[in-house]
Amino acid sequence: GAVVSQHPSWVICKSGTSVKIECRSLDFQATTMFWYRQFPKQSLMLMATSNEGSKATYEQGVEKDKFLINHASLTLSTLTVTSAHPEDSSFYICSGEVNTEAFFGQGTRLTVV
Amino acid sequence: AQKITQTQPGMFVQEKEAVTLDCTYDTSDQSYGLFWYKQPSSGEMIFLIYQGSYDEQNATEGRYSLNFQKARKSANLVISASQLGDSAMYFCAMREAPNTGGFKTIFGAGTRLFVKA
Repeated sequence: GAVVSQHPSWVICKSGTSVKIECRSLDFQATTMFWYRQFPKQSLMLMATSNEGSKATYEQGVEKDKFLINHASLTLSTLTVTSAHPEDSSFYICSGEVNTEAFFGQGTRLTVV
Repeated sequence: AQKITQTQPGMFVQEKEAVTLDCTYDTSDQSYGLFWYKQPSSGEMIFLIYQGSYDEQNATEGRYSLNFQKARKSANLVISASQLGDSAMYFCAMREAPNTGGFKTIFGAGTRLFVKA
């Protein structure tokens, strides 16, 4: 199957700082990538749809100024959590599509202290 | 609005036995896709099986099969001959048909499966 590489796998940052998470499609071109957030013992909640060369589409309730998404190339989408706070601590995971199938990155566990 | 319902927060199964994980969905789309993913404690999402809304036969992938009942809007996952390594969280997911925004996948709440030796 296709490979999506997500980096870093975990990060600890201080409150008020920004954190960038990268999602790369290694062996396919992803015009669209999806960013999810998962709280402990909960399901994946779609945050936004990242479109190459255009603005991301955010789900209702997701602050676009807080969660900046950039999809500058067909193989890279980035999510930047700006001015992070402890409540932003979560598991963030991206996915890219090949035909009808979604392939997920390994996920990033963010802890804001 | 679309919705995925997994009513079993947790399930226990004896090793080597079969287990069924329930999933019902709600959509007004005629074309959609149903997926099951496994998420071990490491957090990665592992694709297990896919069923298209127009597929007449139930999907099978090794020990995994999907019991697709379209009229009932259910897509239960059957795992045969359970193994200890099957212990994980299992998510049912649905992808809507593309319109202007492309595909979007929504997930159920998940079922945690415990396989007993």
